[in-house]
Amino acid sequence: TQLLEQSPQFLSIQEGENLTVYCNSSSVFSSLQWYRQEPGEGPVLLVTVVTGGEVKKLKRLTFQFGDARKDSSLHITAAQPGDTGLYLCAGATPGGGADGLTFGKGTHLIIQP
Amino acid sequence: KAGVTQTPRYLIKTRGQQVTLSCSPISGHRSVSWYQQTPGQGLQFLFEYFSETQRNKGNFPGRFSGRQFSNSRSEMNVSTLELGDSALYLCASSFTRGRSETQYFGPGTRLLVL
Repeated sequence: TQLLEQSPQFLSIQEGENLTVYCNSSSVFSSLQWYRQEPGEGPVLLVTVVTGGEVKKLKRLTFQFGDARKDSSLHITAAQPGDTGLYLCAGATPGGGADGLTFGKGTHLIIQP
Repeated sequence: KAGVTQTPRYLIKTRGQQVTLSCSPISGHRSVSWYQQTPGQGLQFLFEYFSETQRNKGNFPGRFSGRQFSNSRSEMNVSTLELGDSALYLCASSFTRGRSETQYFGPGTRLLVL
């Protein structure tokens, strides 16, 4: 069984602060996706990282895939209340096939104005 | 394009009953996956359908089943409901079967079993 552990589980910070959340596994993934889920809605894909060491930036969000493709981080600069939500990472296993994604349990992020 | 739609959005059932949930994928998408989301376990993969065939199944009991129709719409059924089946059931569609393919999630059906 491949597991993705996300940390911290909960994070509450003030608007304007920076933060980093982590997604770790002992398994190698062929790709890793980050989603944000808001209450009452399904997860929405933010980014997919594929190459070890890859860094992708989306405005104030920076995503990094570990060199060994076992871990990833999401860094948010100058957090805003609109960043509040559940951040999920999901890994796709190597080797082909169409197995469902393996999801972490998520980081609940609250940005206080 | 319209997004993934799921019906009903909310459902209350009692133990022992059965339930059928429906998912309409984005037009043109042929792959539909189902997930169960609970606070304790997070998102867990139930099964995936592609062109009316179940391609993969997660580690859930046989009480959980599904099917896909020729228009790619999918249904999942849970028989003999248990309290632990209370969860948010999410459907996701993608154009092909590839796991790196972007999956688009619906808003989910929140099931409460009393």
